[in-house]
Amino acid sequence: GQNIDQPTEMTATEGAIVQINCTYQTSGFNGLFWYQQHAGEAPTFLSYNVLDGLEEKGRFSSFLSRSKGYSYLLLKELQMKDSASYLCASMDSNYQLIWGAGTKLIIKP
Amino acid sequence: GAVVSQHPSRVICKSGTSVKIECRSLDFQATTMFWYRQFPKQSLMLMATSNEGSKATYEQGVEKDKFLINHASLTLSTLTVTSAHPEDSSFYICSATGTSEREQYFGPGTRLTVT
Repeated sequence: GQNIDQPTEMTATEGAIVQINCTYQTSGFNGLFWYQQHAGEAPTFLSYNVLDGLEEKGRFSSFLSRSKGYSYLLLKELQMKDSASYLCASMDSNYQLIWGAGTKLIIKP
Repeated sequence: GAVVSQHPSRVICKSGTSVKIECRSLDFQATTMFWYRQFPKQSLMLMATSNEGSKATYEQGVEKDKFLINHASLTLSTLTVTSAHPEDSSFYICSATGTSEREQYFGPGTRLTVT
């Protein structure tokens, strides 16, 4: 079956670094996405990985290991506005996104 | 960047009535549109996938006669919740992909409350 696993909730301190892990099992693979979703709003695109390795984009980086079915989202220099849910999604062979349940990130001052 | 709009952003309706939600791609042609539902503190649940000019493909457990989807053009898809009940109250989000079929661009969502 298809499955995405990510932690339900994480807490971090403003200014620190946090890594949100995601493991996936999908029928075929066309890339791994990370989205940010603030409460009451629609998701917004953060990153896309289809090849192994680290993709850096400002304070956010995303890593993929296809052989391990594993990805992580790394957030540096955390700001209070980063408090949100972070959704991991794998695109299967039909180009359909299989979504994780999301990780609620709580930033404390 | 690609923009997807949804209308209305919020709607309150009485039980038994029908509600139509529009999803539009404003600056690109959406070959595929997706409709999601999200209950509080839960992840996105895909309801159906629609391609322009063809019938929508519904996910298991989603009643096609209750949730009518029409994808009449490359820039517009509509979701009609028929005979709405309080349990249909949810956050409905559409997304669209262009020819690259990679990134999904999300609309801002529609919060439906059925009283």
